[in-house]
Amino acid sequence: AQSVAQPEDQVNVAEGNPLTVKCTYSVSGNPYLFWYVQYPNRGLQFLLKYITGDNLVKGSYGFEAEFNKSQTSFHLKKPSALVSDSALYFCAVRAAGGSYIPTFGRGTSLIVHP
Amino acid sequence: NAGVTQTPKFQVLKTGQSMTLQCAQDMNHEYMSWYRQDPGMGLRLIHYSVGAGITDQGEVPNGYNVSRSTTEDFPLRLLSAAPSQTSVYFCASSYGGQAGETQYFGPGTRLLVL
Repeated sequence: AQSVAQPEDQVNVAEGNPLTVKCTYSVSGNPYLFWYVQYPNRGLQFLLKYITGDNLVKGSYGFEAEFNKSQTSFHLKKPSALVSDSALYFCAVRAAGGSYIPTFGRGTSLIVHP
Repeated sequence: NAGVTQTPKFQVLKTGQSMTLQCAQDMNHEYMSWYRQDPGMGLRLIHYSVGAGITDQGEVPNGYNVSRSTTEDFPLRLLSAAPSQTSVYFCASSYGGQAGETQYFGPGTRLLVL
C-alpha cells in the first residue's frame, strides 16, 4: 500500500519569506513523488517530480523539493513567496514498478500575506 | 490540444436521479482516472482505466460506474444520486507505462445533490 501525509492543513507565510510545505510518504520499494498545485476553481497542475538522481528537484514557478529517503519526506520549498503562490498544494506518491495511479495527500492550503 | 475536458462544469441533481459526467482527452493517453475532492479529504480515487476496455475500482467506487470504449473518453455514471455524492469531480489522464509520468487534470465538475 502507498500513502501520503501532509501534516499541515494550512501554511501562512509573508510575501518575500521562504516557504515550506511538508509531505511524508509510505511506499513499498522506491518512490516516485510529485507535487501538484490547484488554484481556486481549477484543476490540478503539475509542479515537479522526483524519479531518481539528484535529491533536489526544481520545478515550475521557482518551486523546488528535496527528497529525503531516510526521513521518507518530500517537502516543497520556495526561497521567496509571492502572493500569487496562494493555492492548494497536493503531494502524491506511487511505487516504482507498482500501479501507475498515484495516491494523493489531503492537500495543504498555502496563504501568502502581502 | 484541448487537453482534458469535462462536462458539465456544474450540475444540480435530486436524490435518486442518474447522470453521466463526461471526460475526454486528446493526448492519446492510455491511463485515465476519476477523483472526487471533498474538503479535508483531498483527492480520492473512484475508478480508473489503463486502456480501452479495461477499468478497475479505486478507493471509493460505490455508487459509480465507468466504461472505456475508446482511448479518448472515460465517462462516470452516477446510477442513483445521493447527497453524499455532492462533491467536485476531476478526471485525469496520463501516458502510462512510463516512469514518473505526470497526470493531466480536467477543470472539474461541481455536483450538488439535493
